[in-house]
Amino acid sequence: QSVLTQPPSASGTPGQRVTISCSGSSSNIGRYIVNWYQHLPGTAPKLLICLNNQRPSGVPDRFSGSKSGTSASLAISGLQSEDEAVYYCAAWDDSLNALVFGGGTKLTVL
Amino acid sequence: QLQLQESGPGLVKPSETLSLTCTVSGGSVSNTSYQWGWIRQPPGKGLEWIGSVSYSGSSSYNRSLKSRVTISVDTSKNQFSLNLSSVTAADTAMYYCARRPVTGILRHSFDIWAQGTMVTVSS
Repeated sequence: QSVLTQPPSASGTPGQRVTISCSGSSSNIGRYIVNWYQHLPGTAPKLLICLNNQRPSGVPDRFSGSKSGTSASLAISGLQSEDEAVYYCAAWDDSLNALVFGGGTKLTVL
Repeated sequence: QLQLQESGPGLVKPSETLSLTCTVSGGSVSNTSYQWGWIRQPPGKGLEWIGSVSYSGSSSYNRSLKSRVTISVDTSKNQFSLNLSSVTAADTAMYYCARRPVTGILRHSFDIWAQGTMVTVSS
């Protein structure tokens, strides 16, 4: 059970906007930056959002991140079939003295 | 373009030591702008950070694994390695090595990952 809580699943139809939440505490999200990763089966995880809301080079602007207090969220607009993947949030945690990942959210494009 | 590639045995016996190496190509493990890390994913579960190391050898580990983990850097071979001792079936996982920038907007994220290598702990 991760200290960062994500919904296990999310879904949407092509073209829709989907939001994935990541809930933490003052020892992690409340204090440190949040990164988001996209993981397609059989591939290496890919950095999607860094520094809470920054997109690395090459990441489409359909992906956006935000953070408020002890929660963060990832939004995907203009949903596409290739967005079907598992999405993880991550942040440093002071109490555990470790980088922690959320449990992951499996996004299904209907 | 920097690339990472893991290598090591895919099968390890219980109580033995799991040893993996990550070879860095297209860049240098001695670059002070980066740390190097290991992350794993047990079957059907999420990602777990194992630890990270800088070129100088300074390392940090997940407390849950700290007593069993060593991550080291070999600058002469442009590699970094993971040793996990006294393994059990719970250590069966896909193991990834990755790069972690310490400066710029990508700092404190893992921006480049290897493809991963599956390690099974079984007799």
